[in-house]
Amino acid sequence: DAGVIQSPRHEVTEMGQEVTLRCKPISGHDYLFWYRQTMMRGLELLIYFNNNVPIDDSGMPEDRFSAKMPNASFSTLKIQPSEPRDSAVYFCASSLTGGTGELFFGEGSRLTVL
Amino acid sequence: TQLLEQSPQFLSIQEGENLTVYCNSSSVFSSLQWYRQEPGEGPVLLVTVVTGGEVKKLKRLTFQFGDARKDSSLHITAAQPGDTGLYLCAGDVGGAGKSTFGDGTTLTVKP
Repeated sequence: DAGVIQSPRHEVTEMGQEVTLRCKPISGHDYLFWYRQTMMRGLELLIYFNNNVPIDDSGMPEDRFSAKMPNASFSTLKIQPSEPRDSAVYFCASSLTGGTGELFFGEGSRLTVL
Repeated sequence: TQLLEQSPQFLSIQEGENLTVYCNSSSVFSSLQWYRQEPGEGPVLLVTVVTGGEVKKLKRLTFQFGDARKDSSLHITAAQPGDTGLYLCAGDVGGAGKSTFGDGTTLTVKP
């Protein structure tokens, strides 16, 4: 079976542009997580969904960030407008058993905002 | 405030040496996981521990969970270059229902 699939793998954009990151979780996993990884702050949970419903978005930095999960096989993380401090690797992960169970991570989307 | 503190931050050793890395918190873990992350990839789960005092072994890796469930260690015997990577601990601190990650230990094993 395929693992968690993220796209794009790399994105370079200019400040002020809209960025959309995409994720396809493992089929059958009811939980989906968006994490951000930087050298300064490590791996931070931004938001997670259960059965397509956002459960905890307390890690979303500010209103410029939004996430949706329109169905069980697709989620997006959008940044509008993007800023240089948003540069990071964004990971999507899915799980069968929730946030304290095994997380299966995608390969990440490396975002660079110039 | 860092809920999970990992040490050391960086570790560089020669092939064949033993090493131990640590994960500590002032709070109690409901469960704790160790992940390994290689460059350009996402973290991959190594082990989950849930019981205070628990010891789990995975080939040359030994994981220990503290009796009070506030700390954990990962010991690698006879390290190999393939062990190189970022080792992350993650815990459900205080039963919040979601895992918080430590900053990790970057391990380099030189041949």
